[in-house]
Amino acid sequence: DTEVTQTPKHLVMGMTNKKSLKCEQHMGHRAMYWYKQKAKKPPELMFVYSYEKLSINESVPSRFSPECPNSSLLNLHLHALQPEDSALYLCASSQVGGTGYQPQHFGDGTRLSIL
Amino acid sequence: DQQVKQNSPSLSVQEGRISILNCDYTNSMFDYFLWYKKYPAEGPTFLISISSIKDKNEDGRFTVFLNKSAKHLSLHIVPSQPGDSAVYFCAANTNAGKSTFGDGTTLTVKP
Repeated sequence: DTEVTQTPKHLVMGMTNKKSLKCEQHMGHRAMYWYKQKAKKPPELMFVYSYEKLSINESVPSRFSPECPNSSLLNLHLHALQPEDSALYLCASSQVGGTGYQPQHFGDGTRLSIL
Repeated sequence: DQQVKQNSPSLSVQEGRISILNCDYTNSMFDYFLWYKKYPAEGPTFLISISSIKDKNEDGRFTVFLNKSAKHLSLHIVPSQPGDSAVYFCAANTNAGKSTFGDGTTLTVKP
């Protein structure tokens, strides 16, 4: 069982829809991450939250809007997505934010399809 | 410009033999390296890591070697087991906590 829980596991949405991806961890980690992974490609970092504050935004389009309501929860709000945004979206957390020395714990991802 | 490269998309070994997975990087700012393992329909799972001040780290059947001058690291699995069959990602971190992943190598261990 993964310690990082992502919901939903699958999501199909139209380009005009608004939806949200959710991620939850109860390991006391203070850094949380969103990644996008296309087929046969490595995970690509989108956002990093450290102590509930956005610390890294990898020039992600504004149709993706992250939110960290508290230290256990991370959301990714989606609006007006494009077909090329179809991918696996992975959430991860790590023990201490802002350092490179802690491994990340990943959820199983949300597979997103844009019609 | 891909900063972390895993040049072998796939590797097949016999059970009980050694598996060697390779990774090259270009950015000298990377100072911490990790290997993750990924099964189908699951997220990556942390396997082993190494700091740039070391050249070897061992954990059971898994050993990671770092050659900083060559900007090369490798993961050795010995003896390989069928349950090790998975995709292995090399990741390189800066001290800001940003991870850059390689493309992954699919390891198949045959019984």
